[in-house]
Amino acid sequence: GAGVSQSPSNKVTEKGKDVELRCDPISGHTALYWYRQRLGQGLEFLIYFQGNSAPDKSGLPSDRFSAERTGESVSTLTIQRTQQEDSAVYLCASSLRTGGNEQFFGPGTRLTVL
Amino acid sequence: LAKTTQPISMDSYEGQEVNITCSHNNIATNDYITWYQQFPSQGPRFIIQGYKTKVTNEVASLFIPADRKSSTLSLPRVSLSDTAVYYCLVGLRNDYKLSFGAGTTVTVRA
Repeated sequence: GAGVSQSPSNKVTEKGKDVELRCDPISGHTALYWYRQRLGQGLEFLIYFQGNSAPDKSGLPSDRFSAERTGESVSTLTIQRTQQEDSAVYLCASSLRTGGNEQFFGPGTRLTVL
Repeated sequence: LAKTTQPISMDSYEGQEVNITCSHNNIATNDYITWYQQFPSQGPRFIIQGYKTKVTNEVASLFIPADRKSSTLSLPRVSLSDTAVYYCLVGLRNDYKLSFGAGTTVTVRA
């Protein structure tokens, strides 16, 4: 596609429920990243996928968070037993180069946990 | 990533040039300087990256003095649509764990 797409754009859930967020990277981009951005704050790295290599999960805040990626395409970020502090915008990015800090971001999924 | 300091906010008017300075006193030899732009309700967008002296593209210019302890992002002739938050990052070119602070909120008025 023309850019990184994410779905849903907005998600409201109740505390304790599981949510799944989807990211479609730019075609041909081998690297994919997930970030979290709380209201009025900066960006927090969550996880990085590069091809078939083991993902870098060092930014995941707890074991309630997990992510998967199928080959070099779609990725899903799953948050189990959501808490109110999980409320944030979850951003996905992809890049052509292996790693690197020129990344192309999607519009994000705004998650609200009631 | 090296620590950066930038102004919290800046106001400007259409047609003016906006210069945002970022301080990074502890920049390392192999570090690059990268700027991102973020519009409300959108993901960040890469603007420009540089190592030394001056880099220019269709969106902005980046000025880096010889000591590299600061850098200035220059936006020529801003329009209302340039209202956004601008983030300065310093780190290795293959640092993929982007970490933004609060950035500089630039507000352009008519």
